[in-house]
Amino acid sequence: QQQVKQSPQSLIVQKGGISIINCAYENTAFDYFPWYQQFPGKGPALLIAIRPDVSEKKEGRFTISFNKSAKQFSLHIMDSQPGDSATYFCAASKTDKLIFGTGTRLQVFP
Amino acid sequence: KAGVTQTPRYLIKTRGQQVTLSCSPISGHRSVSWYQQTPGQGLQFLFEYFSETQRNKGNFPGRFSGRQFSNSRSEMNVSTLELGDSALYLCASSPSMGNTQYFGPGTRLTVL
Repeated sequence: QQQVKQSPQSLIVQKGGISIINCAYENTAFDYFPWYQQFPGKGPALLIAIRPDVSEKKEGRFTISFNKSAKQFSLHIMDSQPGDSATYFCAASKTDKLIFGTGTRLQVFP
Repeated sequence: KAGVTQTPRYLIKTRGQQVTLSCSPISGHRSVSWYQQTPGQGLQFLFEYFSETQRNKGNFPGRFSGRQFSNSRSEMNVSTLELGDSALYLCASSPSMGNTQYFGPGTRLTVL
């Protein structure tokens, strides 16, 4: 019940395209859903986060869509750029204990 | 503001030894959490400290321990190292419990 399932494991997108990464959770007590971006050799960096009282949050090219009834949330990266090539992790938490998805390696080709 | 800093950045130890890793949170942040990242298990929560008290603990053996000092700096210790402890150990800080966590660059531990 503590798991967060993330898909796909890897994603290849052409420059300018839309990248979509999906996550699903079981524990309805989770009340905070962040997305992190990690480059090789670096720690995860917070991209965007959402709480379950809203269905969508947009920051620049990054949008989180949240479906509380389906217990799913997704990250959309619009106009994907080569610089977006990184590993993306979704996470969920109730307290400060973040439960992470398994990660999605995104490659954006020019 | 300076970000989360972790020292050392790289560490090589042999089986059976012990190791201490250090984390300095963002100034003003009082909560520090530790995570282990491996290719096989991904990112896993170790423990979380707030105001020098451990508030949450993950499913790791007692060889993994930590503490937090009055200035919010934190250390984690792993005793009797095993090969499987080789990982990137990440520290994250937040202003208080239940807030956004900001990660440091991690300490890469290799156990030979």
